[in-house]
Amino acid sequence: AQKITQTQPGMFVQEKEAVTLDCTYDTSDPSYGLFWYKQPSSGEMIFLIYQGSYDQQNATEGRYSLNFQKARKSANLVISASQLGDSAMYFCAMRDRPGGYNKLIFGAGTRLAVHP
Amino acid sequence: GAVVSQHPSWVICKSGTSVKIECRSLDFQATTMFWYRQFPKQSLMLMATSNEGSKATYEQGVEKDKFLINHASLTLSTLTVTSAHPEDSSFYICSARELAESYEQYFGPGTRLTVT
Repeated sequence: AQKITQTQPGMFVQEKEAVTLDCTYDTSDPSYGLFWYKQPSSGEMIFLIYQGSYDQQNATEGRYSLNFQKARKSANLVISASQLGDSAMYFCAMRDRPGGYNKLIFGAGTRLAVHP
Repeated sequence: GAVVSQHPSWVICKSGTSVKIECRSLDFQATTMFWYRQFPKQSLMLMATSNEGSKATYEQGVEKDKFLINHASLTLSTLTVTSAHPEDSSFYICSARELAESYEQYFGPGTRLTVT
């Protein structure tokens, strides 16, 4: 069965510093996708970044980059130059494809607090 | 960008009553919609997957007679919580996918249900 693990319940970072949020996964499917979402206190899920298992390069989107280490089955999110508005819950998720439905399995999440 | 709305954004109902939550894709046709439940300080758990015009596929442990899902059109899916109990109080989030083969899901803003 596919599984997503986020071992950091909470993280603190100083404003303008970089922070890495950990995510490991387990799957036997050679074709998979990994996502990171941000959930502020309002509850909306904000898509940040996506990495496909066959992508040759690590995904980047502005201040977000994904450190994809396939052999280690890890997909850590790196946020550079943290801002106060980055304080939120962050979820790592994996695409699961039983029957082709492409559903998402989420990790437990990491709460990030950015301090001024 | 693709926008998904949910209505209502929050609802309070009495124990034993039913409540309906709507999920709409505003600027695209959603072949598949997903319903998630999120308890406080926890991750998102997929409840069911629905395709337009067919019966929803429920995840293990989710009571299909209690959580009725209807996906009557390509832009609307509804979740009805029947005979609600206080333990059904949660944050319910829907997401929608435009193409069957697409990995992208667009999330609604969520509905906070409180059962008294």
